[in-house]
Amino acid sequence: ELKVEQNPLFLSMQEGKNYTIYCNYSTTSDRLYWYRQDPGKSLESLFVLLSNGAVKQEGRLMASLDTKARLSTLHITAAVHDLSATYFCAVGGLPAGSRLTFGEGTQLTVNP
Amino acid sequence: EAGVAQSPRYKIIEKRQSVAFWCNPISGHATLYWYQQILGQGPKLLIQFQNNGVVDDSQLPKDRFSAERLKGVDSTLKIQPAKLEDSAVYLCASSPLMGRREGYTFGSGTRLTVV
Repeated sequence: ELKVEQNPLFLSMQEGKNYTIYCNYSTTSDRLYWYRQDPGKSLESLFVLLSNGAVKQEGRLMASLDTKARLSTLHITAAVHDLSATYFCAVGGLPAGSRLTFGEGTQLTVNP
Repeated sequence: EAGVAQSPRYKIIEKRQSVAFWCNPISGHATLYWYQQILGQGPKLLIQFQNNGVVDDSQLPKDRFSAERLKGVDSTLKIQPAKLEDSAVYLCASSPLMGRREGYTFGSGTRLTVV
């Protein structure tokens, strides 16, 4: 059974600082997703990572995937308050199209 | 393009009552998913449809939950009878085709409170 672990689960950081959220998964997969969720809202897709070594960047967020280590990272650069939200990684099972298994989420709070 | 539509947004029921949720996926999306998100946790898949056929319902509590997707478009998820532990947000998502890897689009969800 595919298991997905995120850490940290809670992250409080100051504006302007950098930090990394980690996502480990237990079995082989060919796709990994990062989502953002604001309180009371649905999930917003941030990144889709489909191959080993994939790196994607959008604004202050950068995601990478190491399929050999079964690890993805979400790096936050020079955090701003607007990034406060819960971030989920989700890993796709095999074969392609199988269910996504989500991590527990990382609740990020960026303080002024 | 229009997003995934869900209704109602909120529902409060007493335990042992029944409830139904509705989802309309993005036009042309063949695959539809129902996820349950308990407060403080990540979403968990309940059931996956490909057109109007069930692909994965291994995590659906079939003694009380049922779902259908008539004509391969809209879907309904029903709980009967509800338990306190069913309190959660029920998210519907769709994707163009099973096997595509672009990711899923989620609806706004239905927040269910069982009292």
